Amino acid sequence: DAKTTQPNSMESNEEEPVHLPCNHSTISGTDYIHWYRQLPSQGPEYVIHGLTSNVNNRMASLAIAEDRKSSTLILHRATLRDAAVYYCILRDMVRSGGGADGLTFGKGTHLIIQP
Amino acid sequence: DAGVIQSPRHEVTEMGQEVTLRCKPISGHDYLFWYRQTMMRGLELLIYFNNNVPIDDSGMPEDRFSAKMPNASFSTLKIQPSEPRDSAVYFCASSPPWTGVNEKLFFGSGTQLSVL
Repeated sequence: DAKTTQPNSMESNEEEPVHLPCNHSTISGTDYIHWYRQLPSQGPEYVIHGLTSNVNNRMASLAIAEDRKSSTLILHRATLRDAAVYYCILRDMVRSGGGADGLTFGKGTHLIIQP
Repeated sequence: DAGVIQSPRHEVTEMGQEVTLRCKPISGHDYLFWYRQTMMRGLELLIYFNNNVPIDDSGMPEDRFSAKMPNASFSTLKIQPSEPRDSAVYFCASSPPWTGVNEKLFFGSGTQLSVL
């Protein structure tokens, strides 16, 4: 899978929107963009994923650049409970041999929320 | 649904002892993954199973590590003998049947292993 680049850490204020960037300049046409987050002392949890179009769900929005070389995870109104490490992961939908084979996690962005 | 259940939550043992970590995946999920997380190396995939069969164990660090999945609702990760450098958080995750489109992993809360 292609590589992603994220800032090591970001800080935001409670009740304000947060935009978490991810660069993936070598993305291929069959790579899905996945976001997971890991709250303190917990396992990672799925946040959102997309291919080309922007996506919304109850947790967040995913904005994908037109050339797909970058994307942004948007938390519309951050709370203290959103403080976590956020991982941006590319996942090729066409895997040789077929089937799932796990996600490769990078170092992610440590999001700090100030009250 | 109770989610992925791991036990124990914490394990403290002495070097040389055998350690067994346990995982119950979400019912209906046919993929099971074992990950290890350390500050230095982050999250690493150790091994994964599909329909109880080990598919790729290339991430298992050495022969001291072994994993089994005797049935669809239970898996173990065993370290024998354990060493201090095995200290980490071990996560189990499961995933629903492959759709050919993407994966969505559901993680347990992890087992914090400390080897003294």
